[in-house]
Order: sequence, then structure tokens, then C-alpha cells
Amino acid sequence: EIVLTQSPATLSLSPGERATLSCRASQSVSSYLAWYQQKPGQAPRLLIYDASNRATGIPARFSGSGSGTDFTLTISSLEPEDFAVYYCQQRSNWSITFGQGTRLEIK
Amino acid sequence: EVQLVQSGAEVKKPGESLKISCKGSGYSFTSYWIGWVRQMPGKGLEWMGIIYPGDSDTRYSPSFQGQVTISADKSISTAYLQWSSLKASDTAMYYCARLLPDSSGFPPYFDYWGQGTLVTVSS
Repeated sequence: EIVLTQSPATLSLSPGERATLSCRASQSVSSYLAWYQQKPGQAPRLLIYDASNRATGIPARFSGSGSGTDFTLTISSLEPEDFAVYYCQQRSNWSITFGQGTRLEIK
Repeated sequence: EVQLVQSGAEVKKPGESLKISCKGSGYSFTSYWIGWVRQMPGKGLEWMGIIYPGDSDTRYSPSFQGQVTISADKSISTAYLQWSSLKASDTAMYYCARLLPDSSGFPPYFDYWGQGTLVTVSS
């Protein structure tokens, strides 16, 4: 099973700042990586798929990059509604795994 | 509009059985895989398994194989997750979600999610 490790576990930033979240896979997942946002009491929402493609309706301040084992989610300028938990997810060999999440909190 | 509507919260005792549901609308239910994801209190997301309602092809995470059963009734556009004997450790929020198709046949990502069903197992 491919393990996804996200860092940092918690990121404390202020609105307007740039956020950089990392996801590392234990082996190559090519570009089959997605990012989700989850706010308290809500279901997750797909932000990025295939490592760098924004899902429908996702603002341009969200961007994804990477391939193979190292991936990054960047939020260019944080809005108040962006403070949430972010998960990466991969699929390979008929298996899906999620990272443990990064909590993005207001500083 | 694509919607996945899940059944309501459940409170059960250890050893009881349970079947929760997820009804899809606004798209061709038989043409997309549906998956189930567990989220234990205060924890992250865990993939449980997926089903293709068109032919009931089902794949399970090794962690959940034999612990739950995933099924679908395409005549009413509904997927199910069931337990034959619940444990306290099954207490969690359970989400169903539709998966984007992929040319490889194995769908990669969850694009629409249900609202979640909270299952509480306590004596």
C-alpha cells in the first residue's frame, strides 16, 4: 500500500499570506494525486486532481504541482474561508489512500 | 445538479446489524463508481471500497475487506454500506462519494460527496 505523508501537520498563517502544503508518497504515483479541503462539519471538497488541475469552481488562488513522489498544494493569498484541513489522495493498483491531513489555522 | 443524499444518523448497540444508504441523482447512476469513506471522530479520511452500479463490480480496501459489504440497487440509484455485527470501533462518520471516470478503468478521484451519515455504536 502506498503511504502518503503530509507536512506540516499544522500550518499557522494570516489572511493574505501564501500557504505551501506538502504531500510525499512512499512510491511513485505518477500524477494520480488529488487535494481535498474539509471544513468542520462538512464533507471534503475536491480542489485539485491529476496533481495540477483545478476542479470545477475552484478559485485560481489554489494550485497544485509535482509528480512521482513529491507534491505541493499552494494557496497564493489566503482568504478567511481557506482555513480548514487539507488532504492529499492517490490511487494506484486498485487501491486508494489519503494522507493524514494538514490543518491550516489562522495565526 | 449532481447530488448524493445519505440516510440519517444511526445509534446502535454492539453486535447489531446496520445498512446505510446513499441515493444519487442528477447524473447517470450506473455510469460512475461510488465509494465509501470513513472518518473516525477527530481523525482523517479512510477509503473503504468502491462499487460500479452498472454491473455491481466491487473493490474493497484490504483494511475493510470482510468487515463491511458494499452493494447497489441501480433501479433506485442507491448504494449501500452494511455491517452484520457492529463494534464500538465502527463509530464514525461515513461518506459516500462519486468518482471521476478514468480511461484505465480504476477511477481516481472523488468529485461529489454525500453529506455523511454518523454511526454511533455504544452499549
